[in-house]
Amino acid sequence: GQQVQQSPTSLVLQEGENAELQCNFSTSLNSMQWFYQRPGGSLISVFYNPSGTKQSGRLTSTTVIKERRSSLHISSSQITDSGTYLCAITNMGYKLTFGTGTSLLVDP
Amino acid sequence: DMKVTQMPRYLIKRMGENVLLECGQDMSHETMYWYRQDPGLGLQLIYISYDVDSNSEGDIPKGYRVSRKKREHFSLILDSAKTNQTSVYFCASSHQGGQNTLYFGAGTRLSVL
Repeated sequence: GQQVQQSPTSLVLQEGENAELQCNFSTSLNSMQWFYQRPGGSLISVFYNPSGTKQSGRLTSTTVIKERRSSLHISSSQITDSGTYLCAITNMGYKLTFGTGTSLLVDP
Repeated sequence: DMKVTQMPRYLIKRMGENVLLECGQDMSHETMYWYRQDPGLGLQLIYISYDVDSNSEGDIPKGYRVSRKKREHFSLILDSAKTNQTSVYFCASSHQGGQNTLYFGAGTRLSVL
């Protein structure tokens, strides 16, 4: 079955609003990463965060291993934050399994 | 410079033709990946390479093969391409697999007619 599930599937915000993206996984966790993808673009690593909380500017990632979830918080959203956010995990070895992503649109 | 380079960026082939997708990285990463991305299916792992001549099938290897003769280069080969192999293909690399940040190339958009 689906090992990595992301929610919501899509999200529309007004510029300046906050967003909370969720990633839930059904297996034990070895590592967790968040990626950003602009439409038609490549994937860019946002966070490598296998546990705990990390912050970079307006972005905060929190991974709680025993609850099998990770979240990505975007504060004071900007139009340039629009795109797809994907999470990926490894539970054994080197194979990463990706979620299907959350599509974020920030309107002016 | 921490870069993963994919060539070509766009490719149109006819069904039955052979396809070669190239990927290079300048970070001396031992682990490299090939993924394909399709709407609604997300990213699916085709092959993983642990180092030179040490490759392993991913989740959807059928119809694909790979070659890694140098640490910095990883090729994806489609012998006799099929229309259902139309997709966007991404190469990625990392140090020690998923235990560190993955770096992705810009992708190759392949259309098989």
